[in-house]
Amino acid sequence: QLVLTQSPSASASLGASVKVTCSLSSGLSTYAIAWHQHQPERGPRYLMKLNSDGSHIKGDGIPDRFSGSGSGAERYLIISSLQSEDEADYYCQTWGTGIWVFGGGTKLTVL
Amino acid sequence: EVQLLESGGDLVQPGGSLRLSCEASGFTFSSYAMSWVRQAPGKGLEWVSSISGSSITTYYADSVKGRFTISRDNSKNTLYLQMYTLRAEDTAVYYCAKSGGSGYYYPPDYWGQGVLVTVSS
Repeated sequence: QLVLTQSPSASASLGASVKVTCSLSSGLSTYAIAWHQHQPERGPRYLMKLNSDGSHIKGDGIPDRFSGSGSGAERYLIISSLQSEDEADYYCQTWGTGIWVFGGGTKLTVL
Repeated sequence: EVQLLESGGDLVQPGGSLRLSCEASGFTFSSYAMSWVRQAPGKGLEWVSSISGSSITTYYADSVKGRFTISRDNSKNTLYLQMYTLRAEDTAVYYCAKSGGSGYYYPPDYWGQGVLVTVSS
């Protein structure tokens, strides 16, 4: 069963770094995921595809401040040098045979 | 520049029907799978349906299977979502999304701005 688990919220100070976690359900440790950013009143924005080995391919125009890594069944989105515009909901997403699954989302607050 | 422009959102009564459209530009439309994803008020993103570039393959979430139909017209660079027997729980902003490749196993790399569907009497 494809289940992605995210903490509902995270916070960090302006200029600091933050790590957002996505936990894959049992047996999915080799799955790749994608990270998406969703700011209020806007369409979501694709950030990157993150493979199980931590390699990632970012979307067009995504700043170097955004990166990803992985460890076992955990996938991480790391945002460094936090800016006010990074305040948004962040979703991880994966796929199975003919389906897409999203995590519940993490609301990031920039203090 | 990739652009996805949804339209067709409206207020509809329970049991009613509605068709959403997504006009695409900036890429070779027929080469990419396309999908619909929705977000109910106060909730997270929920995948609804996907279609391959050639329309040969379609997939649906269990919550909409048998009620929604995804289709595309590659000559018009347009994706559709025909929704029947609408329920209150279908109330959401519906987003059109372009996959990064021809199959469902490519995550969406571009999203539209969304269109609001409200199901209420």
